[in-house]
Amino acid sequence: GAVVSQHPSRVICKSGTSVKIECRSLDFQATTMFWYRQFPKQSLMLMATSNEGSKATYEQGVEKDKFLINHASLTLSTLTVTSAHPEDSSFYICSASTDAPGYTFGSGTRLTVV
Amino acid sequence: QKEVEQDPGPLSVPEGAIVSLNCTYSNSAFQYFMWYRQYSRKGPELLMYTYSSGNKEDGRFTAQVDKSSKYISLFIRDSQPSDSATYLCAMSVNTGNQFYFGTGTSLTVIP
Repeated sequence: GAVVSQHPSRVICKSGTSVKIECRSLDFQATTMFWYRQFPKQSLMLMATSNEGSKATYEQGVEKDKFLINHASLTLSTLTVTSAHPEDSSFYICSASTDAPGYTFGSGTRLTVV
Repeated sequence: QKEVEQDPGPLSVPEGAIVSLNCTYSNSAFQYFMWYRQYSRKGPELLMYTYSSGNKEDGRFTAQVDKSSKYISLFIRDSQPSDSATYLCAMSVNTGNQFYFGTGTSLTVIP
């Protein structure tokens, strides 16, 4: 089945630095990828929809200058958290739409900003 | 009102019990209904998928959709400790559209 690989699985960074998270579709082409944020014991919050070759569409309340999304190829989308602060600490998950029903999710990235 | 409502639990049951997980929704245009299982600190994995109303069974899992009541359920028979996870319902109008997720129900199956 379709596999989405997400790296890193865990990252700790200092406040003020930037962190890049990668999401790759391994055996299929993902024209659309989605980035979610999940707080403990809460559901997935859609941050943005990433379309290959075009600008991402951000959900209301998500700062596009802080959460930079790049989808330069059909198999790779990246989320860069710029000038990270402790409140950005969260679990970030990507997903991709495939021909099959439902999304295929990455394994998630736990970001801790200290 | 949220698009999708799901009781967050937590739910704790003994091994072998039948588990019932439920979600309600407000958008009558939803046609695709999914259940995802998420283990701690992992991405969600698709468990069951149903289109429109009706039942779908896969092993110990049964998904039910009642569009007239805007209510979906996931039943787990003969629950096992390995079923301990958070279960998220999700739904969309079309497969290519945005999915709307419930908050997830945390389930613990006690040996």
